[in-house]
Amino acid sequence: EVQLVESGGGLVQPGGSLRLSCAASGFTFSSCWMSWLRQAPGKGLEWVANIKPDGSDTHYLDSVEGRFTISNDNAKNSVYLQMSSLRVDDTAVYYCAKYSAYSGFDFEYWGQGTLVTVSS
Amino acid sequence: QSALTQPRSVSGSPGQSVTISCTGTSSDVGGYNFVSWYQQHPGKAPKLMMYDVSKRPSGVPDRFSGSKSGNTASLTISWLQAEDDADYFCCSYVATKYVFGSGTKVTVL
Repeated sequence: EVQLVESGGGLVQPGGSLRLSCAASGFTFSSCWMSWLRQAPGKGLEWVANIKPDGSDTHYLDSVEGRFTISNDNAKNSVYLQMSSLRVDDTAVYYCAKYSAYSGFDFEYWGQGTLVTVSS
Repeated sequence: QSALTQPRSVSGSPGQSVTISCTGTSSDVGGYNFVSWYQQHPGKAPKLMMYDVSKRPSGVPDRFSGSKSGNTASLTISWLQAEDDADYFCCSYVATKYVFGSGTKVTVL
């Protein structure tokens, strides 16, 4: 059974940093693209970043480029999101997701999410 | 990248059909056959309901169907059931990135 468990969320002041983690199990992590997505309170979904299995290719939402860094550790079956220069509008539930084996352009498995609140 | 446009809400009685539209541009929805749909119940993680415009993942009822014409994709739910009451989001691949729709609340009356 595929499981994705996020952690690391919390309250942080504007301009601060936070590192999110996502522990994966139930599939061959080293073969799968992974993504981070987010959902602001009461709002829609927003894709944030993705990473190739070997970590050699990453892509970011324009508004987080240069502030967020996605990385992975295949030995630990984990993907991370290092967030810096956080802004109030980064407040959201952050989900990690595994791309599907169907086409590779959709998100088949999601974690339960971790809440990041940016506020003074 | 602007969010794809979805109606804020649609509703129907049990047994009826509803269709949710998702309008983008030739750079996203119209440019790729990589449109997916997600169902989300309150407080829960999203669930993949459709991928590659019209393909259903294993376990999704065949009451759900997808299509695309030009820059607009659509998700149709036939024979509405109480458990279909949820938020639905479309998503399009856009040249290494992804853009989501604004979301549609489906209410089963």
